[in-house]
Amino acid sequence: GDSVTQMEGPVTLSEEAFLTINCTYTATGYPSLFWYVQYPGEGLQLLLKATKADDKGSNKGFEATYRKETTSFHLEKGSVQVSDSAVYFCALSGGDGTSYGKLTFGQGTILTVHP
Amino acid sequence: DTGVSQDPRHKITKRGQNVTFRCDPISEHNRLYWYRQTLGQGPEFLTYFQNEAQLEKSRLLSDRFSAERPKGSFSTLEIQRTEQGDSAMYLCASSQPRGRSDEQYFGPGTRLTVT
Repeated sequence: GDSVTQMEGPVTLSEEAFLTINCTYTATGYPSLFWYVQYPGEGLQLLLKATKADDKGSNKGFEATYRKETTSFHLEKGSVQVSDSAVYFCALSGGDGTSYGKLTFGQGTILTVHP
Repeated sequence: DTGVSQDPRHKITKRGQNVTFRCDPISEHNRLYWYRQTLGQGPEFLTYFQNEAQLEKSRLLSDRFSAERPKGSFSTLEIQRTEQGDSAMYLCASSQPRGRSDEQYFGPGTRLTVT
């Protein structure tokens, strides 16, 4: 079945550092890919998405590119802020080519940014 | 648009008791999803509805679990004869799919503790 693997955390950075959180997936079809973020005490929020190969999703300074050849969707940000401290989840839907609804999530990566 | 709401936010129950959770989706969304999240893991899909029809159920959803969405608006998730392994955060999400894009908006979750 479909699966998503994220780099193990937690990740600790200083403010203004460069961020990469790796995400790779396994799917039989051509899924849509997502990054969700969960800030402390809040619900999951969609951060960005890409629906086909080579698409780049971007939001709030974060970017991720759908790489079909490497089955990856790595999250990057050039300069993190303390307010980016959160748990980040990579997810896919439609991996079996039929159901474009249910999301399959990775295990999450905890990011802590220090001033 | 008030977002997805869930009630209660927290529930503590004794093993063997029945519990019911409610989810109110964003009003114009026709899809509603239930997920379960345990500590340190990403959410796992349980079931979803398109309007009032339950279209897919995960194998995680044992026969002690039942979900309804009687009028295509709010949904309830009932767990009968709760077990300690049912302790988790139960998340609800809703969406209004457009083509391959099915952006799901999550509620704050109901945290269940079974003692």
